[in-house]
Amino acid sequence: DTGVSQDPRHKITKRGQNVTFRCDPISEHNRLYWYRQTLGQGPEFLTYFQNEAQLEKSRLLSDRFSAERPKGSFSTLEIQRTEQGDSAMYLCASSSGLGSYGYTFGSGTRLTVV
Amino acid sequence: EDQVTQSPEALRLQEGESSSLNCSYTVSGLRGLFWYRQDPGKGPEFLFTLYSAGEEKEKERLKATLTKKESFLHITAPKPEDSATYLCASSSGSARQLTFGSGTQLTVLP
Repeated sequence: DTGVSQDPRHKITKRGQNVTFRCDPISEHNRLYWYRQTLGQGPEFLTYFQNEAQLEKSRLLSDRFSAERPKGSFSTLEIQRTEQGDSAMYLCASSSGLGSYGYTFGSGTRLTVV
Repeated sequence: EDQVTQSPEALRLQEGESSSLNCSYTVSGLRGLFWYRQDPGKGPEFLFTLYSAGEEKEKERLKATLTKKESFLHITAPKPEDSATYLCASSSGSARQLTFGSGTQLTVLP
């Protein structure tokens, strides 16, 4: 297992288009998180899955954002009708929920909306 | 609502010049205080978790400490490869998410 994988690494899209990102967590981790990070800021929580159930969503997650984790494995984050303000790094993390809560983060997907 | 504030925003050190980074937190029912390192264009890399005041953890040139209001990341005799952004985060109550500070961008000059 090579850690948390995210695809694509970079995405440039025109305003108004839909985009989808994929995250493959560490296989034995049942918890999966999405965060968003803008330049010079720390990551901000978006949503959390335990297995296939989406248990928490931030109020940052507008109706244009949707996340899924079918069968409790990989997850997708879709942004509909993208806006320039959606430009950010989208980070996925996973954990086993035991011990130190030290998430393992992926390298992120850098989204640029033009 | 949890609040985490880091200072300074940026720090430049000469190689070998020890210093400390500060993380102040306002949290109801702290479950854990986390430190991460983030290199440009990459995701945060886990360093430490601290659970209670008085706890300390060390890893190579880094030592993290925790009080009831603050955490410090002490860097002893830093090297240029320690240059990165260091992030502090809290977890509290029943929430599973982390609340991050804005980070301290550390530059170590050779």
